[in-house]
Amino acid sequence: ELKVEQNPLFLSMQEGKNYTIYCNYSTTSDRLYWYRQDPGKSLESLFVLLSNGAVKQEGRLMASLDTKARLSTLHITAAVHDLSATYFCAVESEMDSNYQLIWGAGTKLIIKP
Amino acid sequence: DAGITQSPRHKVTETGTPVTLRCHQTENHRYMYWYRQDPGHGLRLIHYSYGVKDTDKGEVSDGYSVSRSKTEDFLLTLESATSSQTSVYFCAISPRGGQGNEKLFFGSGTQLSVL
Repeated sequence: ELKVEQNPLFLSMQEGKNYTIYCNYSTTSDRLYWYRQDPGKSLESLFVLLSNGAVKQEGRLMASLDTKARLSTLHITAAVHDLSATYFCAVESEMDSNYQLIWGAGTKLIIKP
Repeated sequence: DAGITQSPRHKVTETGTPVTLRCHQTENHRYMYWYRQDPGHGLRLIHYSYGVKDTDKGEVSDGYSVSRSKTEDFLLTLESATSSQTSVYFCAISPRGGQGNEKLFFGSGTQLSVL
């Protein structure tokens, strides 16, 4: 059974600092997704990582995937308040010839001015 | 929200009553999903559909049933609601259903409280 663990689950940081959120998963998968959720809102897709070594960047966020280590990171550079949200990783898993996403518990990120 | 409408947005009901949540899409995507979101659990898949009248169970399907009679509508029914089913329910759609690009588009969610 595929398990996905994120850490930290909660992170409070100052604007301008750098930090990394980690997503570990327990079985082989080549595909990993990052989503963002604002409080009381829906989820929106941030990154889709489809192979070992994949790196995607948008603005101050950069995601990478190491399938051998079963690890993805979401790096935040020079954080700004607008990045405050909960971030989820999800790993694609094949079950009975269908594909499903297994989700981490989420990392709640608060960025203070 | 990528042409996805969930209804109702909020519902309060009593234990033992049936409840139906509706998801309507205008994107003509093949795959539709129902998730529940609870603190500390991320999202957990309840049921999903890969076409009209084609549905399958997710990891937390007990106590839930679904139906999809049209491409655009996916209904989630709680046959006899229990307090453990108090949660936020999200509908999601996808054009591909996995195998390399399981990018989901989510509805706005339904907050369900079972008293």
